Amino acid sequence: QLQVQESGPGLVKPSETLSLTCTVSGGSINSSGYYWGWIRQPPGMGLEWIGSIYYSGSAHYNSSLKSRVTISTDTSKNQFSLKLRSVTAADTAVYYCASGYYYQTSWGQGTLVTVSS
Amino acid sequence: DIQMTQSPSTLSASVGDRVTITCRASQSISNWLAWYQQKPGKAPKVLIYKASTLESGVPSRFSGSGSGTEFTLTISSLQPDDFATYYCQQYNSLWTFGQGTKVEI
Repeated sequence: QLQVQESGPGLVKPSETLSLTCTVSGGSINSSGYYWGWIRQPPGMGLEWIGSIYYSGSAHYNSSLKSRVTISTDTSKNQFSLKLRSVTAADTAVYYCASGYYYQTSWGQGTLVTVSS
Repeated sequence: DIQMTQSPSTLSASVGDRVTITCRASQSISNWLAWYQQKPGKAPKVLIYKASTLESGVPSRFSGSGSGTEFTLTISSLQPDDFATYYCQQYNSLWTFGQGTKVEI
């Protein structure tokens, strides 16, 4: 059973870079056909897809965040990561990593990241 | 970008009710649509993919239909465990979620 789990700082200062890592267990990040993605949910609000990276390494991003986001993989550690630059209070949210062939079948438990000085 | 619009935003229902949630896409997405259920403090869980295919382990009271731009999620007989928020998601062109429908008592 494939599992994913987020890790990273719970507090980030405005204008800095939010960095999160997702560790994959029960399978390989090189699994053919899999997408590895990040989704966030501001408090009390809905889900927003941030971006996804294909097992081959090609990444796709939400157009509203594209200028500030980078998603990458580290196959040696079986992890993928999210970097969101120049954060503001509007980036405060629960961040989920998730995976699946097209839709998301495996989700992490989510990690709350608060942007505040 | 493809926009997804769900209705209603909130739905009040009782145990045993038949419940229908609608999702509309801003352009045709064929049947590349998934439905998720989310409970407070938990990650979403996929219920249906490819518009009408039930994910393994999901109760048969859940069903999905539609293609193109109009889709529905139906719960045939609402159970206490079904009070939650439901999201549609298109995966025809990148990914987009609907804004969610909260099913409450």
